[in-house]
Amino acid sequence: EVQLVESGGGLVQPGGSLRLSCAASGFTLRSYWMHWVRQAPGQGLVWVSRINSEGSSTTYADSVKGRFTISRDNAKNALYLEMNSLRVEDTAVYFCARASTPAPNTGILGYWGQGTLVTVSS
Amino acid sequence: DIQMTQSPSSLSASVGDRVTITCQASQDITHYLNWYQHKIGKAPKLLIYDVSNLETGVPSRFSGSGSGTDFTFTISSLQPEDIATYYCQHYGTFGQGTKVEIK
Repeated sequence: EVQLVESGGGLVQPGGSLRLSCAASGFTLRSYWMHWVRQAPGQGLVWVSRINSEGSSTTYADSVKGRFTISRDNAKNALYLEMNSLRVEDTAVYFCARASTPAPNTGILGYWGQGTLVTVSS
Repeated sequence: DIQMTQSPSSLSASVGDRVTITCQASQDITHYLNWYQHKIGKAPKLLIYDVSNLETGVPSRFSGSGSGTDFTFTISSLQPEDIATYYCQHYGTFGQGTKVEIK
């Protein structure tokens, strides 16, 4: 069974940093592109970032570019999101998601975790 | 950047009703359009990919259609367990979401 479990969320002050992790199981992580998607309180889903299966190519939403870094450790079955210079507007539940198939860059998010809450507040 | 405009933002319907949600892209996206269901406190769930392909295990009352810039998501007979917010998505862009409630 495919499982994605996010961790690392919490309360952080504006300007601070946080590193989210996503533990993957039930499949071979190195075969799939992975994504981060967030949902601010009372708002809709917003795509944040994606990384190819090897970890050699990354893409970011304009709102996080230069502040967030997506990475992966296929040997540890883990996906990460390093978040720096956090702003109040980064407050959200962050979901990791797996591409539906190993085919590159389909943009279809077949499996999702339950999310981890990041709160940026002073 | 491509924008996805989804409507309505919310709807209320009775059990057994046919429910339709539309999604319009700001430019031609051919068939690269997916639909997700998100229930409060749960992980979002892929329902339909590439406009009209039903994900494995998804009930057949869910369907999708369209091409180019205009797309439609339909629940043929609304069930109580369908209460959720539904999103269209094209690569890095989601629609604003449609909250579906029971009347």
